[in-house]
Amino acid sequence: AQSVTQLDSHVSVSEGTPVLLRCNYSSSYSPSLFWYVQHPNKGLQLLLKYTSAATLVKGINGFEAEFKKSETSFHLTKPSAHMSDAAEYFCVVSTLTGANNLFFGTGTRLTVIP
Amino acid sequence: EAGVVQSPRYKIIEKKQPVAFWCNPISGHNTLYWYRQNLGQGPELLIRYENEEAVDDSQLPKDRFSAERLKGVDSTLKIQPAELGDSAVYLCASSLGDSNTDTQYFGPGTRLTVL
Repeated sequence: AQSVTQLDSHVSVSEGTPVLLRCNYSSSYSPSLFWYVQHPNKGLQLLLKYTSAATLVKGINGFEAEFKKSETSFHLTKPSAHMSDAAEYFCVVSTLTGANNLFFGTGTRLTVIP
Repeated sequence: EAGVVQSPRYKIIEKKQPVAFWCNPISGHNTLYWYRQNLGQGPELLIRYENEEAVDDSQLPKDRFSAERLKGVDSTLKIQPAELGDSAVYLCASSLGDSNTDTQYFGPGTRLTVL
């Protein structure tokens, strides 16, 4: 079975400070992991994905995530938050079974304080 | 390049009424997905199509939900009759293939309110 746990439902940071959104996964197989962002009234957008290549994955808008198998984690980070980063972020797991079924976490709402 | 198109964007209906959602995937994408996103939750897969074939509909409540993807392009998701608990955002996504490395691209969704 596959699942992800997003450890924080809401994170608040000041503009210009680092962002850390935490995610732990559970998977019977070597997983593929994703982070998606959802801005209000807009579709989900892929930020980055890990598919068993480099463990440090760089995405769009300055975000990156590190796959740590020993900790079953895939935390999302950004060195400096921008006001436009305020959104809902979803950690997502898929499996290597050939079926591209995504299992979403419950989401973390990021608030950026000016 | 146009993204995934969904219509309508918003729909308000009374319970027991039927409702239908339409999705046009990205051109050339063989795989199409319908998800339901309840308030405060992540999306959950309802059905996945490979071309015209529904290859995974295990999470689709078949007593009231139906879907079709005629000609392997556009797709329609229907609810009949709608219940109060069906209020949610219905998302359509598409990808080139069904490999887990294929990126899924999502449409803006249809927000359904059942009164």
